[in-house]
Formats: sequence, structure tokens, C-alpha cells
Amino acid sequence: GAVVSQHPSRVICKSGTSVKIECRSLDFQATTMFWYRQFPKQSLMLMATSNEGSKATYEQGVEKDKFLINHASLTLSTLTVTSAHPEDSSFYICSARQGLQGRTPLHFGNGTRLTVT
Amino acid sequence: SQQGEEDPQALSIQEGENATMNCSYKTSINNLQWYRQNSGRGLVHLILIRSNEREKHSGRLRVTLDTSKKSSSLLITASRAADTASYFCATDDNSGGSNYKLTFGKGTLLTVNP
Repeated sequence: GAVVSQHPSRVICKSGTSVKIECRSLDFQATTMFWYRQFPKQSLMLMATSNEGSKATYEQGVEKDKFLINHASLTLSTLTVTSAHPEDSSFYICSARQGLQGRTPLHFGNGTRLTVT
Repeated sequence: SQQGEEDPQALSIQEGENATMNCSYKTSINNLQWYRQNSGRGLVHLILIRSNEREKHSGRLRVTLDTSKKSSSLLITASRAADTASYFCATDDNSGGSNYKLTFGKGTLLTVNP
């Protein structure tokens, strides 16, 4: 159980276009989802916390107008990279927490490799 | 502040040997978790140890936590080639609120040679 599906796994887009990444909890309800960015051989950097039915909470230095997050249901959060630039190329990973209680393990999607040309 | 600094950054061992990875953190925590990441994939939760626990076992994994030293170790016994992956510690930063976001360390890349 506790499967998180992330789609697409890879995407290549041209500069200036927008890309949407989906994160779905398949067999549980996730009131909170997290979006991370990971550079090669580096750790995960938390970008934002997505709460169902409310605005996302962005980490310092993350542009909320560039990285649009929508958490419209208890099983789906989306991250849209708007007006993408080559420096946005990275590995984006979502995660979700099962249940309402905090301090439990996170369940991760398999990530999306974004390449902006 | 940066939490969860693992060392070593990279570790290469032979199959059958034990692998030990360490993690240090800076602030008080509610719990510390270890995750594994295969190349180009998401993270998989391995084990969670609470701040009032000192040691925990799960199969070939053994985790210790020393809150006085703000450090943790992950031991993988009888390693296998399939254990090759990056291992991250993550701390629940005890800052309160309902999101309980985790902060990840830089990770240890473990290579187990057959």
C-alpha cells in the first residue's frame, strides 16, 4: 500500500513553455504533499508544501509564480513549471504523507526528469 | 539551517561486508528517518527512529540515535549488490505546525561490489 504515482517520468520542453507534473496518491488520501527538487548527486531541496484545498506554502527563495502548485483533491497535486528556462532542468520529486497525523514516513513518487532546451 | 549531514559521502565495499553510514544534525528533532534512493528514482523509506529511542532494527538494518551528540548511524549487515544506492537521513525539525516537513541530508552513495 501507500503508493505515490508521479507523471511524467521524463519530459523535454523548449524554453518559454510550461510543463505540468502530476503527483497522485493511489491508495490513500494525502492532505499534504511535498515537492522537492534534486540536482545531480545532491540532496533533496524542499520547494513547497501542498495542502489540499488551500494555497501552497513555498520555501524561501522559491518563486511561487514560476512553480505553480495546485492540490485540488485528496489524491492529486500538480506542479507547473511556467516559462521554463534551461536552469529549471532538474529532477523533481513529490511525496505524500498518509493520514492526518504528522511525523510518519513520507511516500515518494519516482520523480520527473525535466530537461529544458 | 542544514540538517542531516551524512558521512561518508561515498562508500564502496565488497558484497558480504557491513556498511556503516553516519548522520549528524543541528537542531532538536522529533524523529530521524533513513531513506534509500536508487539512481534516477524516488526515495523509499527504510526506518524511523524516535527521539526517545536509541536503537532500532529492521531486517539487515540497524539504526542508532544519540541525541546528546545529535547523530545517527545506519548499519547494513551482509551487504548485497542490490543495496547499491544513495542513503539519506531526514529529520523532522520539531518546529511545530501541522506539516511536519522533513529536511534531508546530502546522502551517502553506497556501492556494493559483487
